[in-house]
Amino acid sequence: KNEVEQSPQNLTAQEGEFITINCSYSVGISALHWLQQHPGGGIVSLFMLSSGKKKHGRLIATINIQEKHSSLHITASHPRDSAVYICAVVTDKLIFGTGTRLQVFP
Amino acid sequence: DAGVIQSPRHEVTEMGQEVTLRCKPISGHNSLFWYRQTMMRGLELLIYFNNNVPIDDSGMPEDRFSAKMPNASFSTLKIQPSEPRDSAVYFCASSFGLAGGRYNEQFFGPGTRLTVL
Repeated sequence: KNEVEQSPQNLTAQEGEFITINCSYSVGISALHWLQQHPGGGIVSLFMLSSGKKKHGRLIATINIQEKHSSLHITASHPRDSAVYICAVVTDKLIFGTGTRLQVFP
Repeated sequence: DAGVIQSPRHEVTEMGQEVTLRCKPISGHNSLFWYRQTMMRGLELLIYFNNNVPIDDSGMPEDRFSAKMPNASFSTLKIQPSEPRDSAVYFCASSFGLAGGRYNEQFFGPGTRLTVL
């Protein structure tokens, strides 16, 4: 079993829908990153969380350390949100999830 | 700032050849990371430096891989000899922070796509 699991693996949505991507982990962590990888391959760091919740524009990330779970929410989704979303946990290493591929259709 | 710069963007080489990938981090950043991404294994951290010193190289696959950071503005990842299974996209990222780079927002370069024939 992977130490970091993301769900769903693939997600399709209509423009405007509310999106939730989940990340569960089985190890003790000190922080968690959410990354976005565009279809062209470029990677952008979205959030780094150690507790609670962070918001940036239409993106919201939450983390529950006790439940070992984090969620990334996208409100009012748009086709330009189509990308692979990757979570990574910080232990004594950086451990990456396998990513969630999101496609948003107009 | 130009962001993290990687070169070359694409490299095609034959098995057994030496490959050198280069990275220039964002000026002022004190941590630098090398990652490898493949379809099979996803993103993997190979090594990271803090203040030019290698902190964790446990992700380096084997002795054929080596990384250096001679100064704050330049790092190399070398593979010698290269093998077809080294084919992947190699990303460099940099960050700034007092607590160590893994805890801070990272800025990624565009990646180098390596193909070993």
